[in-house]
Amino acid sequence: SQTIHQWPATLVQPVGSPLSLECTVEGTSNPNLYWYRQAAGRGLQLLFYSVGIGQISSEVPQNLSASRPQDRQFILSSKKLLLSDSGFYLCAWSVSQSWWPDTQYFGPGTRLTVL
Amino acid sequence: KNQVEQSPQSLIILEGKNCTLQCNYTVSPFSNLRWYKQDTGRGPVSLTIMTFSENTKSNGRYTATLDADTKQSSLHITASQLSDSASYICVVSAQSGGYNKLIFGAGTRLAVHP
Repeated sequence: SQTIHQWPATLVQPVGSPLSLECTVEGTSNPNLYWYRQAAGRGLQLLFYSVGIGQISSEVPQNLSASRPQDRQFILSSKKLLLSDSGFYLCAWSVSQSWWPDTQYFGPGTRLTVL
Repeated sequence: KNQVEQSPQSLIILEGKNCTLQCNYTVSPFSNLRWYKQDTGRGPVSLTIMTFSENTKSNGRYTATLDADTKQSSLHITASQLSDSASYICVVSAQSGGYNKLIFGAGTRLAVHP
């Protein structure tokens, strides 16, 4: 069966520090991968999606970047965190080449607090 | 502008009672609609998914309806249990550039009390 992992589960970082969140998927090959951010009381906002190694699409301009160095690894990074980067970050995967319907399976999330 | 609006924002019910959550959307071109359940501090888990031609779909005590003409969906929970306490998120999928872009509602926070 497929599983998705995220770490760390929680993170407290000072403003201006770097960030690296990691997401890995097991049990599937060539998944589509997604990074979302969920602010308190708000809906999930898609940050990045990837359809393959080295292929990253950004949905909104921001202080963050994403990379996919391996097929089942997705990394969210920042060189200098802002207060507004605080939130709940979720990684998700879906079956590639299956746009209809493409159920996304979410990881456990990372709670990031920037102080 | 593609939007998904959910109501109520929060809801408190007693264990064993039924409830209905609402979702209105303005998404084009519509692909499908799904309801997710998100426990506090966890990732969302899919409950149901409906395409344009489907009017209702059930998953145990959860029943979702879709009216594509009025662009409304509802999630009905029957005989609620304490474990139903969670946020319920309506997600509408729009075809965009060869893939289905998901538009998320802000969710309804449900609390089931004994």
